[in-house]
Amino acid sequence: LAKTTQPISMDSYEGQEVNITCSHNNIATNDYITWYQQFPSQGPRFIIQGYKTKVTNEVASLFIPADRKSSTLSLPRVSLSDTAVYYCLVGGDNQGGKLIFGQGTELSVKP
Amino acid sequence: DAGVIQSPRHEVTEMGQEVTLRCKPISGHNSLFWYRQTMMRGLELLIYFNNNVPIDDSGMPEDRFSAKMPNASFSTLKIQPSEPRDSAVYFCASSLALGAGGTDTQYFGPGTRLTVL
Repeated sequence: LAKTTQPISMDSYEGQEVNITCSHNNIATNDYITWYQQFPSQGPRFIIQGYKTKVTNEVASLFIPADRKSSTLSLPRVSLSDTAVYYCLVGGDNQGGKLIFGQGTELSVKP
Repeated sequence: DAGVIQSPRHEVTEMGQEVTLRCKPISGHNSLFWYRQTMMRGLELLIYFNNNVPIDDSGMPEDRFSAKMPNASFSTLKIQPSEPRDSAVYFCASSLALGAGGTDTQYFGPGTRLTVL
Protein backbone atom coordinates (compact mmCIF):
# COMPACT_ATOMS: atom_id res chain seq x y z
CA LEU A 1 0.00 0.00 0.00
CA ALA A 2 1.36 3.41 -0.98
CA LYS A 3 2.59 5.70 1.78
CA THR A 4 0.90 9.07 2.13
CA THR A 5 2.21 12.34 3.54
CA GLN A 6 0.00 15.20 4.64
CA PRO A 7 0.39 18.19 6.97
CA ILE A 8 -0.06 17.40 10.63
CA SER A 9 -2.28 20.39 11.30
CA MET A 10 -3.97 23.36 9.65
CA ASP A 11 -5.87 26.37 10.93
CA SER A 12 -8.66 28.19 9.17
CA TYR A 13 -11.53 30.57 9.81
CA GLU A 14 -15.21 30.15 9.21
CA GLY A 15 -16.28 30.84 5.65
CA GLN A 16 -12.87 30.20 4.13
CA GLU A 17 -12.01 27.52 1.60
CA VAL A 18 -9.59 24.93 2.95
CA ASN A 19 -7.28 22.86 0.78
CA ILE A 20 -5.43 19.89 2.26
CA THR A 21 -2.78 18.34 0.05
CA CYS A 22 -1.60 14.76 0.31
CA SER A 23 1.52 13.32 -1.32
CA HIS A 24 1.56 9.72 -2.53
CA ASN A 25 4.59 9.35 -4.78
CA ASN A 26 4.40 5.55 -4.92
CA ILE A 27 0.77 5.29 -5.96
CA ALA A 28 0.09 2.20 -8.06
CA THR A 29 -1.90 2.05 -11.27
CA ASN A 30 -4.86 0.34 -9.59
CA ASP A 31 -4.91 2.59 -6.54
CA TYR A 32 -7.70 5.02 -5.74
CA ILE A 33 -7.40 8.02 -3.42
CA THR A 34 -9.87 8.20 -0.56
CA TRP A 35 -10.41 10.75 2.18
CA TYR A 36 -12.00 10.13 5.57
CA GLN A 37 -13.00 12.60 8.27
CA GLN A 38 -12.92 11.89 12.00
CA PHE A 39 -14.59 14.00 14.67
CA PRO A 40 -13.49 13.67 18.31
CA SER A 41 -14.90 10.60 20.01
CA GLN A 42 -16.28 9.21 16.75
CA GLY A 43 -15.15 6.75 14.12
CA PRO A 44 -13.86 7.95 10.76
CA ARG A 45 -16.40 8.79 8.07
CA PHE A 46 -15.95 8.52 4.30
CA ILE A 47 -15.83 11.88 2.51
CA ILE A 48 -14.78 11.34 -1.08
CA GLN A 49 -12.88 9.03 -3.43
CA GLY A 50 -11.31 9.53 -6.83
CA TYR A 51 -8.94 8.06 -9.39
CA LYS A 52 -7.97 11.02 -11.56
CA THR A 53 -8.90 14.62 -12.45
CA LYS A 54 -11.66 16.06 -10.29
CA VAL A 55 -14.43 14.60 -8.21
CA THR A 56 -17.07 16.65 -6.43
CA ASN A 57 -19.85 15.74 -4.04
CA GLU A 58 -22.05 17.64 -1.63
CA VAL A 59 -19.31 17.77 0.99
CA ALA A 60 -16.01 18.35 -0.82
CA SER A 61 -14.01 18.30 -4.03
CA LEU A 62 -10.98 16.19 -4.78
CA PHE A 63 -8.38 17.36 -7.26
CA ILE A 64 -5.91 14.84 -8.70
CA PRO A 65 -3.22 15.92 -11.18
CA ALA A 66 -2.32 13.83 -14.18
CA ASP A 67 0.67 12.14 -12.52
CA ARG A 68 -1.51 11.19 -9.51
CA LYS A 69 1.41 11.63 -7.13
CA SER A 70 -0.58 14.01 -5.01
CA SER A 71 -4.17 15.01 -4.36
CA THR A 72 -5.94 17.96 -2.78
CA LEU A 73 -9.08 17.81 -0.71
CA SER A 74 -11.00 21.08 -0.96
CA LEU A 75 -13.61 22.06 1.62
CA PRO A 76 -15.61 25.11 0.53
CA ARG A 77 -16.66 27.69 3.11
CA VAL A 78 -15.76 25.74 6.24
CA SER A 79 -17.68 26.09 9.46
CA LEU A 80 -16.77 25.34 13.07
CA SER A 81 -18.30 21.88 12.64
CA ASP A 82 -15.66 20.99 10.06
CA THR A 83 -13.05 20.89 12.81
CA ALA A 84 -11.81 17.31 12.58
CA VAL A 85 -8.94 15.10 11.51
CA TYR A 86 -8.80 14.38 7.77
CA TYR A 87 -7.11 11.22 6.50
CA CYS A 88 -5.80 10.62 3.00
CA LEU A 89 -5.61 6.95 2.01
CA VAL A 90 -4.39 5.23 -1.12
CA GLY A 91 -5.36 1.72 -2.14
CA GLY A 92 -7.48 -0.43 -4.37
CA ASP A 93 -9.72 -3.44 -4.29
CA ASN A 94 -6.71 -5.65 -4.92
CA GLN A 95 -5.87 -5.12 -1.26
CA GLY A 96 -9.18 -6.67 -0.31
CA GLY A 97 -10.57 -3.50 1.15
CA LYS A 98 -7.65 -2.98 3.51
CA LEU A 99 -7.11 0.65 4.54
CA ILE A 100 -3.95 2.02 6.13
CA PHE A 101 -4.55 5.26 8.00
CA GLY A 102 -1.67 7.71 8.36
CA GLN A 103 -1.47 10.40 11.00
CA GLY A 104 -4.01 12.62 9.25
CA THR A 105 -4.35 16.40 9.20
CA GLU A 106 -5.94 18.03 12.21
CA LEU A 107 -8.02 20.93 10.89
CA SER A 108 -9.03 23.60 13.35
CA VAL A 109 -11.68 26.07 12.22
CA LYS A 110 -11.92 29.25 14.25
CA PRO A 111 -14.75 31.80 14.41
CA ASP B 1 -30.31 1.05 9.31
CA ALA B 2 -28.81 1.59 12.76
CA GLY B 3 -25.28 1.57 11.47
CA VAL B 4 -22.46 -0.43 13.00
CA ILE B 5 -23.19 -1.23 16.63
CA GLN B 6 -20.48 -1.76 19.20
CA SER B 7 -20.70 -2.76 22.82
CA PRO B 8 -19.79 -1.86 25.39
CA ARG B 9 -19.10 1.82 24.69
CA HIS B 10 -16.79 2.04 27.69
CA GLU B 11 -14.93 -0.70 29.53
CA VAL B 12 -12.71 -0.36 32.57
CA THR B 13 -10.95 -3.45 33.76
CA GLU B 14 -7.94 -4.53 35.73
CA MET B 15 -4.75 -5.94 34.33
CA GLY B 16 -4.99 -9.68 33.77
CA GLN B 17 -8.72 -9.76 33.19
CA GLU B 18 -10.35 -10.98 30.00
CA VAL B 19 -12.01 -8.35 27.83
CA THR B 20 -14.53 -9.04 25.07
CA LEU B 21 -15.59 -6.36 22.63
CA ARG B 22 -18.61 -6.90 20.41
CA CYS B 23 -19.63 -5.65 17.00
CA LYS B 24 -22.74 -5.92 14.86
CA PRO B 25 -22.03 -4.85 11.27
CA ILE B 26 -24.51 -3.20 8.95
CA SER B 27 -26.92 -5.76 7.58
CA GLY B 28 -25.85 -7.00 4.16
CA HIS B 29 -22.23 -5.95 4.49
CA ASN B 30 -19.78 -8.76 3.88
CA SER B 31 -16.53 -7.29 5.19
CA LEU B 32 -15.75 -6.44 8.79
CA PHE B 33 -12.71 -4.66 10.20
CA TRP B 34 -11.32 -4.17 13.71
CA TYR B 35 -9.14 -1.11 14.39
CA ARG B 36 -7.36 0.25 17.45
CA GLN B 37 -6.68 3.95 17.99
CA THR B 38 -4.22 5.53 20.41
CA MET B 39 -2.55 8.91 20.55
CA MET B 40 0.86 7.36 20.05
CA ARG B 41 0.12 4.96 17.20
CA GLY B 42 -2.91 6.48 15.55
CA LEU B 43 -5.49 4.26 13.87
CA GLU B 44 -4.24 0.72 13.29
CA LEU B 45 -5.97 -2.10 11.43
CA LEU B 46 -5.93 -5.22 13.60
CA ILE B 47 -7.82 -7.78 11.53
CA TYR B 48 -10.46 -8.00 8.86
CA PHE B 49 -12.97 -10.59 7.72
CA ASN B 50 -14.65 -11.21 4.41
CA ASN B 51 -17.76 -13.39 4.39
CA ASN B 52 -17.00 -14.32 8.01
CA VAL B 53 -13.52 -15.61 7.16
CA PRO B 54 -10.42 -13.88 8.56
CA ILE B 55 -8.43 -12.52 5.63
CA ASP B 56 -5.61 -10.57 7.22
CA ASP B 57 -4.69 -10.67 10.90
CA SER B 58 -1.18 -9.28 10.51
CA GLY B 59 -2.10 -6.27 12.62
CA MET B 60 -3.05 -8.29 15.69
CA PRO B 61 -0.39 -7.28 18.21
CA GLU B 62 0.16 -10.65 19.90
CA ASP B 63 -1.41 -13.91 20.93
CA ARG B 64 -3.36 -12.24 23.70
CA PHE B 65 -5.64 -10.84 21.01
CA SER B 66 -8.15 -12.97 19.15
CA ALA B 67 -11.13 -12.22 16.93
CA LYS B 68 -14.03 -14.29 15.72
CA MET B 69 -16.93 -13.85 13.38
CA PRO B 70 -19.31 -16.76 13.94
CA ASN B 71 -21.92 -15.34 11.58
CA ALA B 72 -22.56 -12.40 9.29
CA SER B 73 -24.12 -10.27 11.99
CA PHE B 74 -21.71 -10.61 14.88
CA SER B 75 -18.01 -10.37 15.66
CA THR B 76 -15.95 -10.32 18.84
CA LEU B 77 -12.48 -9.10 19.70
CA LYS B 78 -11.06 -10.70 22.83
CA ILE B 79 -8.04 -9.73 24.87
CA GLN B 80 -6.83 -12.28 27.39
CA PRO B 81 -5.07 -11.36 29.59
CA SER B 82 -5.43 -7.61 29.26
CA GLU B 83 -2.56 -5.21 29.98
CA PRO B 84 -2.45 -1.44 30.60
CA ARG B 85 -0.86 -0.88 27.19
CA ASP B 86 -4.03 -2.27 25.59
CA SER B 87 -5.88 0.86 26.68
CA ALA B 88 -7.25 2.45 23.51
CA VAL B 89 -10.39 3.06 21.51
CA TYR B 90 -11.34 0.01 19.48
CA PHE B 91 -13.39 0.58 16.35
CA CYS B 92 -15.31 -1.89 14.27
CA ALA B 93 -16.17 -1.07 10.65
CA SER B 94 -18.06 -2.85 7.91
CA SER B 95 -18.30 -2.52 4.17
CA LEU B 96 -20.11 -3.96 1.20
CA ALA B 97 -17.16 -5.36 -0.71
CA LEU B 98 -18.27 -4.98 -4.28
CA GLY B 99 -14.80 -5.40 -5.74
CA ALA B 100 -15.73 -2.98 -8.46
CA GLY B 101 -12.61 -0.88 -8.22
CA GLY B 102 -11.44 1.55 -5.62
CA THR B 103 -11.84 0.80 -1.96
CA ASP B 104 -15.33 0.17 -0.71
CA THR B 105 -16.62 2.68 1.79
CA GLN B 106 -16.10 1.54 5.34
CA TYR B 107 -18.72 2.49 7.91
CA PHE B 108 -17.31 2.81 11.41
CA GLY B 109 -19.03 2.16 14.69
CA PRO B 110 -18.85 4.56 17.65
CA GLY B 111 -15.98 2.67 19.21
CA THR B 112 -15.30 1.07 22.58
CA ARG B 113 -13.05 3.01 24.91
CA LEU B 114 -11.04 0.44 26.87
CA THR B 115 -9.11 1.33 29.99
CA VAL B 116 -6.94 -1.33 31.61
CA LEU B 117 -5.76 -0.39 35.09
